[in-house]
Amino acid sequence: DSGVTQTPKHLITATGQRVTLRCSPRSGDLSVYWYQQSLDQGLQFLIHYYNGEERAKGNILERFSAQQFPDLHSELNLSSLELGDSALYFCASSIPSGTSGDTQYFGPGTRLTVL
Amino acid sequence: KNQVEQSPQSLIILEGKNCTLQCNYTVSPFSNLRWYKQDTGRGPVSLTIMTFSENTKSNGRYTATLDADTKQSSLHITASQLSDSASYICVVHVAGTYKYIFGTGTRLKVLA
Repeated sequence: DSGVTQTPKHLITATGQRVTLRCSPRSGDLSVYWYQQSLDQGLQFLIHYYNGEERAKGNILERFSAQQFPDLHSELNLSSLELGDSALYFCASSIPSGTSGDTQYFGPGTRLTVL
Repeated sequence: KNQVEQSPQSLIILEGKNCTLQCNYTVSPFSNLRWYKQDTGRGPVSLTIMTFSENTKSNGRYTATLDADTKQSSLHITASQLSDSASYICVVHVAGTYKYIFGTGTRLKVLA
């Protein structure tokens, strides 16, 4: 158990809908990262937040947005869902060591299925 | 372009045997390289992290090597166990940024 929690575990929805995925980082971790992993694909970095502020953006679609709240939990919002958005969405947290890299602890993921 | 390539894509070995997974990268500037183990449907777990000055690092039966000159890394698994069946992902951190470049992984299956 990494100490990172994600809810829900599974989500099934229809095209065009909007969903919110939630992540609670490990106690004391200020950084939250979001990743997407499609079937048989590698992890794709979406976005990174540090202490409530956006720090880096990866291959995140305009239909997707995220935020980190004062209590450090984070939410990933996916809207106008398409079939291709079906994937595992992982959240990871860390205590960052500046820009020299940090050890990320991954949550169990949320499996999103868009029908 | 910053890229991380892993080989082989998949590998099947018998329990008790050793194996080596490869990672080549073109990431610049380089900060560090990590290997993760990801069980099917679960989040990745960090195995090793190596900086520019480190050539080798071990974590139990896992030994990672890094050649920063040739931009190559390997992960050696000794005396494989059934529980080693997983995907192994190589990740390189871009120095001075918050960006991480992920390889697509090597899927390892250990058979009894």
